[in-house]
Amino acid sequence: SYELTQPPSVSVSPGQTARITCSGDASPQQYAYWYQQKPGQAPVLVIYKVSERPSGIPERFSGSRSGTTVTLTISGVQAEDEADYYCQSADSTGNNVIFGGGTKLTVL
Amino acid sequence: EVQLVESGGGLVKPGGSLRLSCTASGFDFSAYTMNWVRQAPGKGLEWVSSINSGSYFIYYADSLKGRFTVSRDNAKNSLFLEMSNLRVEDTAVYYCARDGPFTGEEFDYWGQGTLVTVSS
Repeated sequence: SYELTQPPSVSVSPGQTARITCSGDASPQQYAYWYQQKPGQAPVLVIYKVSERPSGIPERFSGSRSGTTVTLTISGVQAEDEADYYCQSADSTGNNVIFGGGTKLTVL
Repeated sequence: EVQLVESGGGLVKPGGSLRLSCTASGFDFSAYTMNWVRQAPGKGLEWVSSINSGSYFIYYADSLKGRFTVSRDNAKNSLFLEMSNLRVEDTAVYYCARDGPFTGEEFDYWGQGTLVTVSS
């Protein structure tokens, strides 16, 4: 079955750059999405179509792809960015949604 | 303002059934594909099901093995999830989420979730 693999945790100091990867066996043409989830809250879409940012999401959030690995980059990390981050894509049929296991971002 | 409000969660015994509802407001509910996503305590997100605007295309996660049924009532701006033969491992917060306008694969709005606890 199709899977997306994320590191369980990433730690950075305030002001540094955090990079969270998401690897899968999807076609490079498949889109990827990223969500931020803070404790007790619903997820929030922060990146769509690999690298696009919805309105209201700070510019420090960006996304990129290299082969079948997508990366969420948070530049100039702030304390409020501490959260769980999930990547999402679809399987080869496009009908089944897949989430990565999630990455806990800790701001030291 | 887009709002999604889930209800119907609670405590149920293994083998029991439960029906979740999601009431939408602030957008044309009948034009959007809707989804259910769940999150077990302390675990990650798991997609459960999706249903398109006209209920023509319905998909489920393979792991559910036919125990869950999604439906919608566009006249009442409501999404439903019928869950049967519930197992302890179905314990989770269940979110409804709307397909977004960018590619139709992203979830741009989520409800706050309703907790389902399966325990004897």
